[in-house]
Amino acid sequence: GAVVSQHPSRVICKSGTSVKIECRSLDFQATTMFWYRQFPKQSLMLMATSNEGSKATYEQGVEKDKFLINHASLTLSTLTVTSAHPEDSSFYICSAFKQGILQETQYFGPGTRLLVL
Amino acid sequence: QKEVEQNSGPLSVPEGAIASLNCTYSDRGSQSFFWYRQYSGKSPELIMSIYSNGDKEDGRFTAQLNKASQYVSLLIRDSQPSDSATYLCAVPFITQGGSEKLVFGKGTKLTVNP
Repeated sequence: GAVVSQHPSRVICKSGTSVKIECRSLDFQATTMFWYRQFPKQSLMLMATSNEGSKATYEQGVEKDKFLINHASLTLSTLTVTSAHPEDSSFYICSAFKQGILQETQYFGPGTRLLVL
Repeated sequence: QKEVEQNSGPLSVPEGAIASLNCTYSDRGSQSFFWYRQYSGKSPELIMSIYSNGDKEDGRFTAQLNKASQYVSLLIRDSQPSDSATYLCAVPFITQGGSEKLVFGKGTKLTVNP
């Protein structure tokens, strides 16, 4: 397997503040990481693909100015939720591709639960 | 549009039974397939990957792949209450921009009753 960490695991903030979530690949280098959001009892929703050293690729309907992604190194991607509002409250999960012998495999971080008051 | 379809369930089996989870995919060119398990409130965890037609066994889990039918399944033998979770089928595909990403099914919720 592979280890992907996220920090913080849980955050509560006031409406209008910005929140930064870190995603790290601990035992491998990841040129590509992904950010997902999941609402209760719903499916994973891919928000964006984070590419090391270049701009993130956002999925349709995801505001790039709202969800800022920075992938400055091969082991770290950050997601900043800017001017958070209660509707941004969700479970944010990152993942990273690890190159294997046959295929790249995607490993998930433990997730960050965001609650905006 | 690349699609991955799963029966959303819920699927309920008694403890000790075999649980069978099914998945179909739309891209005939897909070469690799993944099963993830997601417990309530947690992030997905990789449990199986399969690349070749046939069966692949890992402990109580068996993945089955039939590329001609575009079908992949996961069997859980001797199901335990701790297997109760949502199981996600995932298939990677290459975007127009050349990057790779996983397409997930909506997941099948499995409940194993003691």
